[in-house]
Amino acid sequence: EAGVTQFPSHSVIEKGQTVTLRCDPISGHDNLYWYRRVMGKEIKFLLHFVKESKQDESGMPNNRFLAERTGGTYSTLKVQPAELEDSGVYFCASTPLDGTGELFFGEGSRLTVL
Amino acid sequence: AQSVTQPDIHITVSEGASLELRCNYSYGATPYLFWYVQSPGQGLQLLLKYFSGDTLVQGIKGFEAEFKRSQSSFNLRKPSVHWSDAAEYFCAVGPYSGNTPLVFGKGTRLSVIA
Repeated sequence: EAGVTQFPSHSVIEKGQTVTLRCDPISGHDNLYWYRRVMGKEIKFLLHFVKESKQDESGMPNNRFLAERTGGTYSTLKVQPAELEDSGVYFCASTPLDGTGELFFGEGSRLTVL
Repeated sequence: AQSVTQPDIHITVSEGASLELRCNYSYGATPYLFWYVQSPGQGLQLLLKYFSGDTLVQGIKGFEAEFKRSQSSFNLRKPSVHWSDAAEYFCAVGPYSGNTPLVFGKGTRLSVIA
């Protein structure tokens, strides 16, 4: 069974540009989470999808971040326009709807904004 | 508010020595506790988890953790560290459900020397 996959693994962009990160959860996992880790800080929650619906987006930093999960399968996280402070590692995780709290993580997408 | 404290940012141990990584949490309900590890270039991998039952839990790679409710702690231990254990370790707390996000600590980076 394939795990959570994320693309790209690393993206380097200039301030003001746009980047879209993609996450493919484990098949059948209705819960999908985005987290972010800025260097030296904790892994912080961004938002949570249940199927295609946003359950909780309280962790989204501002309106430059837009997450979608059309069809309840893969998800995208777009940053537009990117700022220097957006640099970090963006993790995606999934878990079944009837599962325990254990999250299955992808390898992360490292974003560097210059 | 829910929070996780990992007091040690960086720990260096000799190969073969014992290891203990500290984790303290603040959580309003019965906590579900996790330790994840991130090796260089890898995603987050679950080491072990605790919800109920025996307060000493065994995980993968020879790790164990002990839940102490009176101290709000969930420290990770390993009797003999291997060079391959060099990584970053994250403690997390959440409910017994996949429908609420986990809260992570800032992580402890482990270096192993010969």
